[in-house]
Amino acid sequence: DVKVTQSSRYLVKRTGEKVFLECVQDMDHENMFWYRQDPGLGLRLIYFSYDVKMKEKGDIPEGYSVSREKKERFSLILESASTNQTSMYLCASNKQGPDTQYFGPGTRLTVL
Amino acid sequence: QQQVKQSPQSLIVQKGGISIINCAYENTAFDYFPWYQQFPGKGPALLIAIRPDVSEKKEGRFTISFNKSAKQFSLHIMDSQPGDSATYFCAAGGSFQKLVFGTGTRLLVSP
Repeated sequence: DVKVTQSSRYLVKRTGEKVFLECVQDMDHENMFWYRQDPGLGLRLIYFSYDVKMKEKGDIPEGYSVSREKKERFSLILESASTNQTSMYLCASNKQGPDTQYFGPGTRLTVL
Repeated sequence: QQQVKQSPQSLIVQKGGISIINCAYENTAFDYFPWYQQFPGKGPALLIAIRPDVSEKKEGRFTISFNKSAKQFSLHIMDSQPGDSATYFCAAGGSFQKLVFGTGTRLLVSP
């Protein structure tokens, strides 16, 4: 079974803090994705990576950066957290192209 | 052009009834249309997917209907069960690696 794990299920941070969200997949997938999920807005793509050290902006990259130093790990970084970044963050991975994306359980981030 | 419009936002169906969720897209480059199911506290998981070379795909009680000319596709859940209560997302993708998701439909199947 494919497993995508995220470092935290719940996180509470203060405005202005630097926040790291970690995602690890164990299936040797090339592609990894970060989404945020908000009620009524669905899943919106923040960034994705199709190879180590490669990244591409998604639909809402502002205020976020990513890092992929190893194939199995994809990190989402909030350089200076703001209250409007309070959300559910979902990581996903897949082998290539439009193949099935496998999602982690999500991290619910609250920024106070 | 990258949007996928999903309706309804929420749906209540009686046990045994048919649940129908609709999606529409604009970008004709899309060639892969999955549906994901998400239970509370879990990440979305693939339920069923279709490619535009067929008009319908059925897996158990779940059917995708696809209308290429209208650029619409829908999920039908036959004999809906309380265990089907979840949020459903349609999505569209193509050779450009990423998926575009709809806004989700919260389905409640009443016993």
